[in-house]
Amino acid sequence: DIQMTQSPSSLSASVGDRVTITCRASQSINNYLNWYQQKPGKAPKLLIYSASTLQSGVPSRFSGSGSGTDFTLTISSLQPEDFASYYCQQSYRIFTFGPGTKVDIK
Amino acid sequence: EVQLVESGGGLVQPGRSLRLSCAASGFTFDDHAMHWVRQAPGKGLEWVSGLSWNSGSLGYADSVKGRFTISRDNAKNSLYLQMNSLRTEDTALYYCVRDMGPHFDWRPLDYWGQGTLVTVSS
Repeated sequence: DIQMTQSPSSLSASVGDRVTITCRASQSINNYLNWYQQKPGKAPKLLIYSASTLQSGVPSRFSGSGSGTDFTLTISSLQPEDFASYYCQQSYRIFTFGPGTKVDIK
Repeated sequence: EVQLVESGGGLVQPGRSLRLSCAASGFTFDDHAMHWVRQAPGKGLEWVSGLSWNSGSLGYADSVKGRFTISRDNAKNSLYLQMNSLRTEDTALYYCVRDMGPHFDWRPLDYWGQGTLVTVSS
């Protein structure tokens, strides 16, 4: 199976901050990388797919980049509703998810 | 509005069985592959199983292969997961999830239900 890692595992940030989360795959997955947001007690929500395509309805402050094994999710200006956990997922082969990054309020 | 509503979870003893259901609405069900993804309490996400729009192609995680069976009834807009020989490590919130495409070919997962909790304990 393809293993996914994320860093950091958690971070504290303030409203308005630029936040970057990194995801790494154990082998090349081309651009078959998706990002999900999960708020406490809620289901995950697709934010970005194919590494950089914004899902319909997702604010443009979210962006994704990368290919091969290294990927990033960037929130350009953190908003109160963005405090959540973020998971990367590879869809190159049998789905595997990263362990998640929790973004909380500084 | 896309809706996925899971049911059938509960408390069950190890070794017993449970059948989960997912009722879909707000979209053309047989235009999409469907999946089950689970999340143990306080843990991350684990893909469990998926199948194509016509049930012609399907797959399972190694952790459930041989014990779980996924199926769908397009006439009833429903997805199912038959879980046999349950283990304590199967305890999790089970999400019904829509695939972006019709085929079982690892497309992004674009809509998730709210989940149904399965607790395996004696």
